[in-house]
Amino acid sequence: AQTVTQSQPEMSVQEAETVTLSCTYDTSENNYYLFWYKQPPSRQMILVIRQEAYKQQNATENRFSVNFQKAAKSFSLKISDSQLGDTAMYFCAFMKQRAGGTSYGKLTFGQGTILTVHP
Amino acid sequence: DTGVSQDPRHKITKRGQNVTFRCDPISEHNRLYWYRQTLGQGPEFLTYFQNEAQLEKSRLLSDRFSAERPKGSFSTLEIQRTEQGDSAMYLCASNWGVVGELFFGEGSRLTVL
Repeated sequence: AQTVTQSQPEMSVQEAETVTLSCTYDTSENNYYLFWYKQPPSRQMILVIRQEAYKQQNATENRFSVNFQKAAKSFSLKISDSQLGDTAMYFCAFMKQRAGGTSYGKLTFGQGTILTVHP
Repeated sequence: DTGVSQDPRHKITKRGQNVTFRCDPISEHNRLYWYRQTLGQGPEFLTYFQNEAQLEKSRLLSDRFSAERPKGSFSTLEIQRTEQGDSAMYLCASNWGVVGELFFGEGSRLTVL
């Protein structure tokens, strides 16, 4: 079974600053996907960024980037130029890759990190 | 398309009562998932449908829980004889494709008194 650990229950950052959220995971799988999801207060969860384990290059999506260290089983999220709208709970999640390279949607989530962006 | 919708958004019930939640996924998505999220925790996988077939159930899904997706469109999650430990947010998500992004609904919050 996989486990995902987010060791920072809460983080805060000033608007326009950079913040890094930590995530570690434990798995015996070699092929998998990692995700960061954002859950704003009273709103639905949305995907922030995705990383395929077979890719060495770290994923980036505009102001969001990850530092994926497969050997260390570490997957941190960096948010640059933080905005007030980034205030949310952030979840790190793991998905096992199935045979043939496919997968579906059975995610294992971490406990979450509440990020507050201050003006 | 307005995304994944869930109903009701909040349900308060007394212990021992039955409750049912409905999820309408994004119309072209063939896969549908139910997750449970307790306060301060990440969501936990409950069950998964591909079209109308329920392909996987978590051990978290006790005999009091049943989920259906009769025509491969909307899904229902029923909890019989509710217990206080069932109090949680029940999230529905849908997707399609090889490694499809999950689209989540806003959730149905259950409070068992």
